[in-house]
Amino acid sequence: AAGVIQSPRHLIKEKRETATLKCYPIPRHDTVYWYQQGPGQDPQFLISFYEKMQSDKGSIPDRFSAQQFSDYHSELNMSSLELGDSALYFCASSLAGTGGKLFFGSGTQLSVL
Amino acid sequence: GESVGLHLPTLSVQEGDNSIINCAYSNSASDYFIWYKQESGKGPQFIIDIRSNMDKRQGQRVTVLLNKTVKHLSLQIAATQPGDSAVYFCAENILGYSTLTFGKGTMLLVSP
Repeated sequence: AAGVIQSPRHLIKEKRETATLKCYPIPRHDTVYWYQQGPGQDPQFLISFYEKMQSDKGSIPDRFSAQQFSDYHSELNMSSLELGDSALYFCASSLAGTGGKLFFGSGTQLSVL
Repeated sequence: GESVGLHLPTLSVQEGDNSIINCAYSNSASDYFIWYKQESGKGPQFIIDIRSNMDKRQGQRVTVLLNKTVKHLSLQIAATQPGDSAVYFCAENILGYSTLTFGKGTMLLVSP
């Protein structure tokens, strides 16, 4: 079965650079979520989209933005990168009305040097 | 969330033992709970879920128990295998809202 696909798998950037992470949800899923996970920490919710509209917002820095496109894929744009942005970034998808179960991708490991 | 450093609570068991991983959740309004398994370098993988109108749910080798009175959730794994070694997270949600909030993980180490 198709899963959530994230790209790139690994990304190395320097401070003050920008990065774009991509997420392709499971086919027919209409909701996409972004989470950030630091080493040894639990995933922290950043932002979510339902039917291309922002549906909820968590601890996403103002330097980050995201959107969901007409084909339901989503992109997380990160600007003015800081060392503390180094983390695993997960995308998850779900189908609204199915009970809140999220399916996660394999993540993008972002390293800011 | 606040940083708790790199030290996850760890449960070490022998292969074949039963494992119990506990989780305290914070929001008394939460009505949906999920256990996820996360292997190193991978995304969280769904194990089992339970709604607040139940206090027990069983899957294949796994059982989730919910005690709403004390806001406690547990995951029981029967006949634990080395492949069960991973970090386990509980997550809570209010059905109808999009944010799934994760609890602190527990690392399960299974030795042969």
